[in-house]
Amino acid sequence: AQSVTQPDIHITVSEGASLELRCNYSYGATPYLFWYVQSPGQGLQLLLKYFSGDTLVQGIKGFEAEFKRSQSSFNLRKPSVHWSDAAEYFCAVGSVSNDYKLSFGAGTTVTVRA
Amino acid sequence: DTAVSQTPKYLVTQMGNDKSIKCEQNLGHDTMYWYKQDSKKFLKIMFSYNNKELIINETVPNRFSPKSPDKAHLNLHINSLELGDSAVYFCASSQRGGGGYTFGSGTRLTVV
Repeated sequence: AQSVTQPDIHITVSEGASLELRCNYSYGATPYLFWYVQSPGQGLQLLLKYFSGDTLVQGIKGFEAEFKRSQSSFNLRKPSVHWSDAAEYFCAVGSVSNDYKLSFGAGTTVTVRA
Repeated sequence: DTAVSQTPKYLVTQMGNDKSIKCEQNLGHDTMYWYKQDSKKFLKIMFSYNNKELIINETVPNRFSPKSPDKAHLNLHINSLELGDSAVYFCASSQRGGGGYTFGSGTRLTVV
């Protein structure tokens, strides 16, 4: 069965500082990996996705993520955080064999301090 | 022009009532989903339809019944509402095998 772990429940970062959110997945074959962001009271917006190819993936809003098969990780990074990046971030894994069903991690809450 | 729209946005109802949530997507996607987000923000899939055919039916009480009249619409009907049904319900759509989901803005259901 596929599953996702986001080890950090809550991260506080200063505006302008870098941000890294951790994501570890469990799946036997090559997974499809995603990062979503949810602002308060809003739906989920896709930041970026990895299907195959280049293991460093660029997304929207200046985010990037790196797929590391050896570590079963897909960590999300941003070099310089803006106050508007305060939100809930979800990592998700899907697969062909599982009908593309996405399994989500528990989420990481990001707080940005001035 | 909203890609995935859900109605209503808020729903407050009493225990035992029956309610429906509607979802429509204008992206031309062939697959639609219902997810439940609990108070701890954990997201769990409930149902998935591909071209009007049910393909994923997770362990969900029989009181929940999805209906897809066409591939652009997926509705969720809930009978005999219970306090534990209080959550945010998200509709999503995707092109099967083509990428991530596009989510609606959610329906916050409160059962009192």
